[in-house]
Amino acid sequence: DAMVIQNPRYQVTQFGKPVTLSCSQTLNHNVMYWYQQKSSQAPKLLFHYYDKDFNNEADTPDNFQSRRPNTSFCFLDIRSPGLGDAAMYLCATSREGGSYEQYFGPGTRLTVT
Amino acid sequence: AQSVAQPEDQVNVAEGNPLTVKCTYSVSGNPYLFWYVQYPNRGLQFLLKYITGDNLVKGSYGFEAEFNKSQTSFHLKKPSALVSDSALYFCAVKAAGNNRKLIWGLGTSLAVNP
Repeated sequence: DAMVIQNPRYQVTQFGKPVTLSCSQTLNHNVMYWYQQKSSQAPKLLFHYYDKDFNNEADTPDNFQSRRPNTSFCFLDIRSPGLGDAAMYLCATSREGGSYEQYFGPGTRLTVT
Repeated sequence: AQSVAQPEDQVNVAEGNPLTVKCTYSVSGNPYLFWYVQYPNRGLQFLLKYITGDNLVKGSYGFEAEFNKSQTSFHLKKPSALVSDSALYFCAVKAAGNNRKLIWGLGTSLAVNP
């Protein structure tokens, strides 16, 4: 089945220690998104890629970076995690020119100690 | 400004009873509306969408939603609730002028009691 995969499902990192979360998709969608979600709040868009075109949200901290080496993979790098970055990180995909719904991975729960 | 409102933080319903989770929106142009469900420690699952056509759209797991243009609403419904429907539900609308972004409601927690 076509899907969005996130690894790891749970990640523990230390304060200030860089961490990378990964996302892959078999849907062949050209748009990939990274969201941050805290304690049952609405997901907050951090950035998205349209193919290799990176689109950052204005309020996304510089501490958050992303890479998309190919269509299938996208990475979220947190350069110096703070306690406030503990959250669920969700990857999603959609097809440009399609009907606009986004398909989500299961998420990575990040804990910062 | 575009926005989505889910006026109820929590909805409680008895198993077997009909359920409604409310959503209203404010967008320019024709709205593209979506419902997602999130189970604990999981990603969001797409339930259904309204783009155009019939005002009553059917989706996954027996859910349906009714688009009402005059009331700018898109309420999620199910005729007979299951305990397993207990989850967090999000309404979203496509941002006008940007096909790639969704504007999200704050979510409604649905509790179905046995």
